[in-house]
Amino acid sequence: AQKVTQAQTEISVVEKEDVTLDCVYETRDTTYYLFWYKQPPSGELVFLIRRNSFDEQNEISGRYSWNFQKSTSSFNFTITASQVVDSAVYFCALSEGPGNQFYFGTGTSLTVIP
Amino acid sequence: GAVVSQHPSWVICKSGTSVKIECRSLDFQATTMFWYRQFPKQSLMLMATSNEGSKATYEQGVEKDKFLINHASLTLSTLTVTSAHPEDSSFYICSARGRGFPNQPQHFGDGTRLSIL
Repeated sequence: AQKVTQAQTEISVVEKEDVTLDCVYETRDTTYYLFWYKQPPSGELVFLIRRNSFDEQNEISGRYSWNFQKSTSSFNFTITASQVVDSAVYFCALSEGPGNQFYFGTGTSLTVIP
Repeated sequence: GAVVSQHPSWVICKSGTSVKIECRSLDFQATTMFWYRQFPKQSLMLMATSNEGSKATYEQGVEKDKFLINHASLTLSTLTVTSAHPEDSSFYICSARGRGFPNQPQHFGDGTRLSIL
């Protein structure tokens, strides 16, 4: 069965600090996809990244970076030099294919304090 | 890029009424749509999967007679919450997937916040 664990329920950091959001997943599939979404207070899901199980390269996009390690079944997300606008709930998700149902983690609520 | 429109974005109604939520794919044909529910400060949980022209598949614990899903066209799926009660108050989000399974990504709507008084 698929499962996604985000152990950090809430995190608070001071602006400009770096912060890492953890995500650990479980699946028996050899092919799967991992995602990160941002959910601001307005509720919509903002897509951040998709990674398939065959691509373990880390990715950097501006202040965002992702560390995918199959050996530990983790897909962690780091925000560098955090800003107040980064305050939101962040969800890690798993699917068997990008068009299959998503299994979401419980989310991490990030608060960036000015 | 692909866009999924969800309407209404917010609805407040009295207990006992039925509420219909629409999910439309604006620039692609959505062969499959997913409906998720999110209670306050909780994660998103899949309620049902609907394929165009066939009956929806409901997840365990979701009452199919209460949450009616219709996916009559390739661009529209509707979720009707029948005889809604306060415990049905939640955030409902749809997502849509186009042709080319399984590699086509799915796109999320902006969600509907349902409050039952």
